[in-house]
Amino acid sequence: DQQVKQNSPSLSVQEGRISILNCDYTNSMFDYFLWYKKYPAEGPTFLISISSIKDKNEDGRFTVFLNKSAKHLSLHIVPSQPGDSAVYFCAACSTLGRLYFGRGTQLTVWP
Amino acid sequence: DTGVSQNPRHKITKRGQNVTFRCDPISEHNRLYWYRQTLGQGPEFLTYFQNEAQLEKSRLLSDRFSAERPKGSFSTLEIQRTEQGDSAMYLCASSLDPGRSNTGELFFGEGSRLTVL
Repeated sequence: DQQVKQNSPSLSVQEGRISILNCDYTNSMFDYFLWYKKYPAEGPTFLISISSIKDKNEDGRFTVFLNKSAKHLSLHIVPSQPGDSAVYFCAACSTLGRLYFGRGTQLTVWP
Repeated sequence: DTGVSQNPRHKITKRGQNVTFRCDPISEHNRLYWYRQTLGQGPEFLTYFQNEAQLEKSRLLSDRFSAERPKGSFSTLEIQRTEQGDSAMYLCASSLDPGRSNTGELFFGEGSRLTVL
């Protein structure tokens, strides 16, 4: 029961340009949506989140957009930097506090 | 360091052996979660605790798996009679009660990587 889906396993972007990572979900009862970043051999680290009652949240170079009618969210990184290269996981949070994760998108930012 | 701590970081074992992983959460967090991650997949929920009470277990958690949090602080995850399919990264995370968190964020440890030969 894949409730959170990331359909692009990889994305390659040139340094300085925008990276857009996409995520779809099926359960309209999720309260929060989060993005995590993961480097090899490390645990996921929190990047940014958005409440289900909002449609946009911005933090520096990172902006998350939520389209509830489409059950879709996206993470924009502008400008992209080589240090952003990592696996990005989309996650959704239920009222119980449990997170449901997508399969991740490997972002590669090249100079 | 006041983050989530897991040990051992790496464990190589032979099929059929038992292994135990330990997680020390952030001290003021009363929620503790165990997740498992395999190659090409996102973290998959295994179980979680509210203080010492285990409130939910995934169907992924077979009878060979047992988790405890005896005093509501650290937690252990034991796998008995390991199988090659148990090879994965086992992630622990902690959080405040959902009602006290305004982001839904879980704080993850660095994980314990299990390899079953």
